[in-house]
Amino acid sequence: SYVLTQPPSVSVAPGETARITCVGNNIGDKSVHWYQQKPGQAPVLVVYNDSDRPSGIPARFSGSNSRNTATLAISRVEAGDEADYYCQVWDTTSDERVFGGGTKLTVL
Amino acid sequence: QVQLQESGPGLVKPSQTLSLTCTVSGDSISSGGYYWTWIRQRPGKGLEWIGNIHYSGTTYYNPSLRGRVTMSEERSKNQFSLKLPSVTAADTAVYYCARDNRGNGFDIWGQGTMVTVSS
Repeated sequence: SYVLTQPPSVSVAPGETARITCVGNNIGDKSVHWYQQKPGQAPVLVVYNDSDRPSGIPARFSGSNSRNTATLAISRVEAGDEADYYCQVWDTTSDERVFGGGTKLTVL
Repeated sequence: QVQLQESGPGLVKPSQTLSLTCTVSGDSISSGGYYWTWIRQRPGKGLEWIGNIHYSGTTYYNPSLRGRVTMSEERSKNQFSLKLPSVTAADTAVYYCARDNRGNGFDIWGQGTMVTVSS
């Protein structure tokens, strides 16, 4: 089974850039999607296919993916960005959808 | 716009079957090439993909649950369902239904429904 590894937590000051990584074997060959989940709410797709943003998602959210690491970057971080973030891929060899363990973003 | 809504019992006894339904509005589950999906989140834990059913009717399940889980669709009601037999406390979770947009991420989610397994 394909494994995605995220740091449990990331902290950043308001106005700075937060970077959340997602590590997987040759993840650069897959499309990575990112979700934001605030307490008590359903997740929301914030980046899909490595770097595309759904309508309504601010341009402050961006993504990249290369070799063994995908990264979600949130620039000019605001208090409202505090949430759990999950990466996800479709492992086409097994037809499984796989989530990373999630990263709690804390805005200091 | 497309909306998903989970429904089902909030409390299930151990060894019984967990049954949930997701009602889709604003789109047909038979069109568009989407994968209609169940995801769960145990208390304080991360997201776990349970499986999905393609608009063609093909199902795909998480290997860790394969053999236990069954998904089906009721096209006339625009619904898809999840059945998980022989539940234990480990199946206590918030269960979400979601739309997998042809592999381009889960773009629409239901609000989630909490299911507790307890006697």
